[in-house]
Formats: sequence, structure tokens, C-alpha cells
Amino acid sequence: GAVVSQHPSWVICKSGTSVKIECRSLDFQATTMFWYRQFPKQSLMLMATSNEGSKATYEQGVEKDKFLINHASLTLSTLTVTSAHPEDSSFYICLFGRGNTEAFFGQGTRLTVV
Amino acid sequence: GQNIDQPTEMTATEGAIVQINCTYQTSGFNGLFWYQQHAGEAPTFLSYNVLDGLEEKGRFSSFLSRSKGYSYLLLKELQMKDSASYLCAVMDSNYQLIWGAGTKLIIKP
Repeated sequence: GAVVSQHPSWVICKSGTSVKIECRSLDFQATTMFWYRQFPKQSLMLMATSNEGSKATYEQGVEKDKFLINHASLTLSTLTVTSAHPEDSSFYICLFGRGNTEAFFGQGTRLTVV
Repeated sequence: GQNIDQPTEMTATEGAIVQINCTYQTSGFNGLFWYQQHAGEAPTFLSYNVLDGLEEKGRFSSFLSRSKGYSYLLLKELQMKDSASYLCAVMDSNYQLIWGAGTKLIIKP
């Protein structure tokens, strides 16, 4: 079946540093890529969407200069949390769409900023 | 506005059957997804419905009625490992996913 590989699965970083999260689809080309954030016991919160060949569209309230999304190819997307602060600690998950009928999550990255 | 409603929490007994409902109001409709999410893990894809009717996959089945803006996920022969949150999501006319808050399913022995 379709697989989306997300790395790292967890990371602890110091406040003020940057963290890069990578998602890669292993056996399909993604038509749409989504990045979500999820705080404990809360719903998925969409951060940004990027469609095939275009730049990411950020949701209202998400700082594009802080959360840098690079849709490098149809199989690779990266999210960089710049100058991370403790309030950025969360579970970050990518979602890759294959056509319009299937969408697969990466394994998620648990970020803890100390 | 766009809205997805599903119960916050449900409890069922091991070996039984449970039905998780999802109602939606969205700007357009391009399909409805169900995902399972265990605590601390990413969601995993369960099903996709775009036409009315029932789709069966082993112990899990998903039903859709577009005219009623309604779907349900049916889980049979419940196992303890089915304890998880179940997320309903609708793809709108812009092909964006609108997510419900999820239903936490608790399975008791």
C-alpha cells in the first residue's frame, strides 16, 4: 500500500533553534500535500496546503516566516520550524493526497522545545 | 460555514458492534474519509466514500448518504485494539479536507 515516510519521529530542541521535518511518499506522486499540527487531545489543525507544482497556501494565523514549507517535488515536502519556542511543542503530521480519493498521513513528528 | 459533527465519545463492549455517525455541511462534496487514530500516533486511512451506499472492508464498513449529508462507520466484532479516535473528513469543492473533531471509542472487556 501507499506509504508516506516522515522523519524524525520525535525531536527535542532548544528554544531559538530551528527544526526540519521531512515527508516523502515512497511509491506514489502526491497531488496535494497538507501539513497539520495536533495538540494533545485536540483535533487536527491545518497549517498549510500545497497543490501540485504550486507554493504552499497557509491557513490564517499560521506564520509563513516561522513555518517554512518547501514542496520540493511531487514526492517530498519539508516543514521547518524556525526559532522554535516552547509553545511550538506539538505533534506535526503531513498528509499526502493521491488523486482525490486517497490521502495518507506520515507517521508524525513529536516536537518538544525546551 | 462548513461543519462536520460526530459524537465526542462512545463506549462499546468487546465482540459487539458499534456505529459512529458523522453529519456534514460543506461547500460542495468530493468524498468522505474515515481515519483511525491511536493516541500519540498519526491517523491511518480506513475508507473513502463518494457514492451513496455501503462499502465493506472486513470488520469495518462505511456508509454514505449524500442527500442527507450523513455517513457512518460500522465496526463489527470489536477488539480491544479498536480503542482509538475515529475521524470523519469531507473533501469540499476546492478539494480541501474538512475534519470532524473525532470520536473517541472506548472498548470494554
